[in-house]
Amino acid sequence: NAGVTQTPKFRILKIGQSMTLQCTQDMNHNYMYWYRQDPGMGLKLIYYSVGAGITDKGEVPNGYNVSRSTTEDFPLRLELAAPSQTSVYFCASSYWTETGGDGYTFGSGTRLTVV
Amino acid sequence: DQQVKQNSPSLSVQEGRISILNCDYTNSMFDYFLWYKKYPAEGPTFLISISSIKDKNEDGRFTVFLNKSAKHLSLHIVPSQPGDSAVYFCAASGAGKSTFGDGTTLTVKP
Repeated sequence: NAGVTQTPKFRILKIGQSMTLQCTQDMNHNYMYWYRQDPGMGLKLIYYSVGAGITDKGEVPNGYNVSRSTTEDFPLRLELAAPSQTSVYFCASSYWTETGGDGYTFGSGTRLTVV
Repeated sequence: DQQVKQNSPSLSVQEGRISILNCDYTNSMFDYFLWYKKYPAEGPTFLISISSIKDKNEDGRFTVFLNKSAKHLSLHIVPSQPGDSAVYFCAASGAGKSTFGDGTTLTVKP
């Protein structure tokens, strides 16, 4: 009964480095999402996926890439890290159909600092 | 242009009293509205939702009201408890994607 698992919990990157934030859910949810939260702000959607093999951009996709090869996994890739990507990243999943769905289940977050 | 706004960054209430958190939205295409609660160093937790075809939904101490004509929703917590102290996010959803407000920090004083 793990829900949504994110790794790592903390990471410090140097400018120009790359990394992958991992996200796994065990609830057989069809939708998965990546959000970022800057201090004092709400959550901004980076990318989302409606099912395995299907991904789409959200509000702030620049500098990120995603893939969804399985229902369970939705990794977020940062290429050429920049200080503007310093943030807390949340992965979430939900079950959604055309008639509606449930609220999101969120992971506990990854706090990323780019120096 | 922010589509979901929570105009009060913070709210302080006495234990046992009512807490009312407000949220405004601009996009009439949103069909679901949700509230999440967030403690420090944790991910948000889903609290309660309401479909656009309803005007009220209750779950224990939590009630959400939707006024579609005013594009306004509110979360009522009665009675408020110290454990309710957290950041509350309003979210509006369309086609399975949610747009979040900036949050309201609720402090419930014993």
